[in-house]
Amino acid sequence: GAVVSQHPSRVICKSGTSVKIECRSLDFQATTMFWYRQFPKQSLMLMATSNEGSKATYEQGVEKDKFLINHASLTLSTLTVTSAHPEDSSFYICSARSSGGFYEQFFGPGTRLTVL
Amino acid sequence: DQQVKQNSPSLSVQEGRISILNCDYTNSMFDYFLWYKKYPAEGPTFLISISSIKDKNEDGRFTVFLNKSAKHLSLHIVPSQPGDSAVYFCAAGPSGNTPLVFGKGTRLSVIA
Repeated sequence: GAVVSQHPSRVICKSGTSVKIECRSLDFQATTMFWYRQFPKQSLMLMATSNEGSKATYEQGVEKDKFLINHASLTLSTLTVTSAHPEDSSFYICSARSSGGFYEQFFGPGTRLTVL
Repeated sequence: DQQVKQNSPSLSVQEGRISILNCDYTNSMFDYFLWYKKYPAEGPTFLISISSIKDKNEDGRFTVFLNKSAKHLSLHIVPSQPGDSAVYFCAAGPSGNTPLVFGKGTRLSVIA
């Protein structure tokens, strides 16, 4: 199956700092990548959809100035949590869909963000 | 409005028996359905999918059944194994490049 990596897997930062999370599709080209957030014991919450070379589409209630998404190439999307606060602590997961046309979204292993 | 519903938050099954996980959807535009398995602190792993032109898809111990008229799908795992213990997410989507819609998940515990 297709492989998606995320880096870092775990990050702890101080309140007010910015954190960048990378999502890479390793063996396929992903025209579309998705960013999700998961709170403990809850479902995956879609934050935004990013298409290569264009601006991300954010879901209602997600602050685009706080969660900056860049999809600069067909294999890399980044999520930057700006001026992080403790309430931003969460598990962030990206997924990628191949440009080959099938529907599956392949997920990365997730990034655990803890803001002190 | 939840378009994909997994009404059972948890399920316990004995090892060797069948596990049946259920999922209902409301959007008639959905034509592709998937099941994902998720362990704690990991990303979801794709398990099996089915398109709306089929009513059954089988892959080893996993079978997905789709009842379009009832807008219902189910995942059967047989025989269940302790390693199957995880949270299972049902997902659905229409044609085109839109994100999948996920249910809230069902936590399966397979007891040895």
